[in-house]
Amino acid sequence: KQEVTQIPAALSVPEGENLVLNCSFTDSAIYNLQWFRQDPGKGLTSLLLIQSSQREQTSGRLNASLDKSSGRSTLYIAASQPGDSATYLCAVNTGNQFYFGTGTSLTVIP
Amino acid sequence: SAVISQKPSRDICQRGTSLTIQCQVDSQVTMMFWYRQQPGQSLTLIATANQGSEATYESGFVIDKFPISRPNLTFSTLTVSNMSPEDSSIYLCSSSFGVETQYFGPGTRLLVL
Repeated sequence: KQEVTQIPAALSVPEGENLVLNCSFTDSAIYNLQWFRQDPGKGLTSLLLIQSSQREQTSGRLNASLDKSSGRSTLYIAASQPGDSATYLCAVNTGNQFYFGTGTSLTVIP
Repeated sequence: SAVISQKPSRDICQRGTSLTIQCQVDSQVTMMFWYRQQPGQSLTLIATANQGSEATYESGFVIDKFPISRPNLTFSTLTVSNMSPEDSSIYLCSSSFGVETQYFGPGTRLLVL
């Protein structure tokens, strides 16, 4: 069974800092990997999707990388803003099911 | 993409009662899913809602506790039966057109007293 781990569980940074969130998974046989954002008490918003054949995806200040062989993905957030404060979840899609990590709770301090 | 709405957005219920959560998608989708997110935890898949047939439940979840309906390609319901405080969670509906990605609803926050 696929297991997905996210480190750190919580992160607090001053505004303007660049930061990296980590996601690791145990089975490299994946279809794609997706990063989501979840605001308190809300549903999930998709940020970036990386196909298994891709190495990275970029959207604005966000860059996600994927190293399938080592079972790792990172989400890089440049020039962080208070509005980036949320929980970030990575999800591994095996083609049959999504497996979610436990999330990283990010606080960006003005 | 798909836009998903859920009702109710939140509820406070008494132990032993049941609550039915509705999920509406703005387009016909292939798959619909129900997840549970307990406090401080990640998402756990409860079941896949199959149109016109019984839902497919994940290990640890049973139909008697979480009956699911999916009468058509845009609508599904999840009932949390005979509730206990341990059922207090966010319940999320999602949908997909295939294996590519899933679109999530805003969730239903349930508190059981």
